[in-house]
Amino acid sequence: NAGVTQTPKFQVLKTGQSMTLQCAQDMNHEYMSWYRQDPGMGLRLIHYSVGAGITDQGEVPNGYNVSRSTTEDFPLRLLSAAPSQTSVYFCASSYGSQETQYFGPGTRLLVL
Amino acid sequence: QKEVEQDPGPLSVPEGAIVSLNCTYSNSAFQYFMWYRQYSRKGPELLMYTYSSGNKEDGRFTAQVDKSSKYISLFIRDSQPSDSATYLCAMSPGADRGSTLGRLYFGRGTQLTVWP
Repeated sequence: NAGVTQTPKFQVLKTGQSMTLQCAQDMNHEYMSWYRQDPGMGLRLIHYSVGAGITDQGEVPNGYNVSRSTTEDFPLRLLSAAPSQTSVYFCASSYGSQETQYFGPGTRLLVL
Repeated sequence: QKEVEQDPGPLSVPEGAIVSLNCTYSNSAFQYFMWYRQYSRKGPELLMYTYSSGNKEDGRFTAQVDKSSKYISLFIRDSQPSDSATYLCAMSPGADRGSTLGRLYFGRGTQLTVWP
């Protein structure tokens, strides 16, 4: 199993540009989440999904959209990038709500 | 007040030392407690997982949960330079407590350096 994969590993955007961060898992996990990690702030939940077709907002959802059309994929879309969205983004998945989450390697995003 | 508090350190210890990492929390509904280890420029990886109060041991690592004090700890015995990483505590109420399903509440992480 590849586990949780994320692409790209690194991206530079200009303010106002849009892009999609890709996340995929091959463990047949129902639960998937997106976090951002900033220095001194820890991991903050952006959006999460409890299954295909079901998504909900986390702690810091503004400026981001998600969809879950398949169990395997959970892309995160930045609608109009802002410098405040410069961060490291982690995707995670778990089998159930009480189960531990497995994280991808992260995407480093720089918005100029 | 943040729901999970964790001293960010940094913490620097010599090889062989016993390391104690701690988190406190405010939400009495938390039932599941985890410790993640994160190496530089990598994703967090699960280190320890415990349910409710008590101790759990895995090799050189021991996790303790004291729900009455809302306090969790991770002890590392005979610390090694390879233990140098950021350690994040995480916790969850679980699905039966009206929680956001699948949501983990993280501490800010403690940066640990073990020098030879």
